Amino acid sequence: KQEVTQIPAALSVPEGENLVLNCSFTDSAIYNLQWFRQDPGKGLTSLLLIQSSQREQTSGRLNASLDKSSGRSTLYIAASQPGDSATYLCAVSLVYNQGGKLIFGQGTELSVKP
Amino acid sequence: DGGITQSPKYLFRKEGQNVTLSCEQNLNHDAMYWYRQDPGQGLRLIYYSQIVNDFQKGDIAEGYSVSREKKESFPLTVTSAQKNPTAFYLCASSAGNVETQYFGPGTRLLVL
Repeated sequence: KQEVTQIPAALSVPEGENLVLNCSFTDSAIYNLQWFRQDPGKGLTSLLLIQSSQREQTSGRLNASLDKSSGRSTLYIAASQPGDSATYLCAVSLVYNQGGKLIFGQGTELSVKP
Repeated sequence: DGGITQSPKYLFRKEGQNVTLSCEQNLNHDAMYWYRQDPGQGLRLIYYSQIVNDFQKGDIAEGYSVSREKKESFPLTVTSAQKNPTAFYLCASSAGNVETQYFGPGTRLLVL
């Protein structure tokens, strides 16, 4: 059974710091991996999607990497800002797909202090 | 504006009552999904639909029902059989079942 874990559960950093969020998964038979952002009481916003054949994806100050063989992904945020404060979730889509089902981690709550 | 809308934002359910959560999308997406989010447990899949008039159970379908009569609509009914319905419910859609999923703003369901 695929399990997705995100560590740490919460992270607090000063503004301007570069930071890394971690995601690990137990079964390497994934189709893709997505990183989402969730603001309190809101829906999820897709940040990056990495196909299983890719090693990384970049969007602005965000860079996501994927090492399928070791079951790890990282989300790198450069020059963090208070507006980056949110919960970040990673999710994997299974090779056997099951209709596009995503398996989510429990998220990392990020706080960027001015 | 293209996107996914969910209504209502807050919903209150009385004991023994069925309630229906609305999800509409104008993205012309084939696939739609319902997730439940509880504190500390992440998101879990309730039901999904890959095409009109077809849907499948997810991991926690007991006590819930859905319909997919139109491409743009995927309502979720929380029945009286769902004994612990208090949660944040999120609807999502995607162009295909391996594409990026786009989420609505969510409905928070509370029990009176």
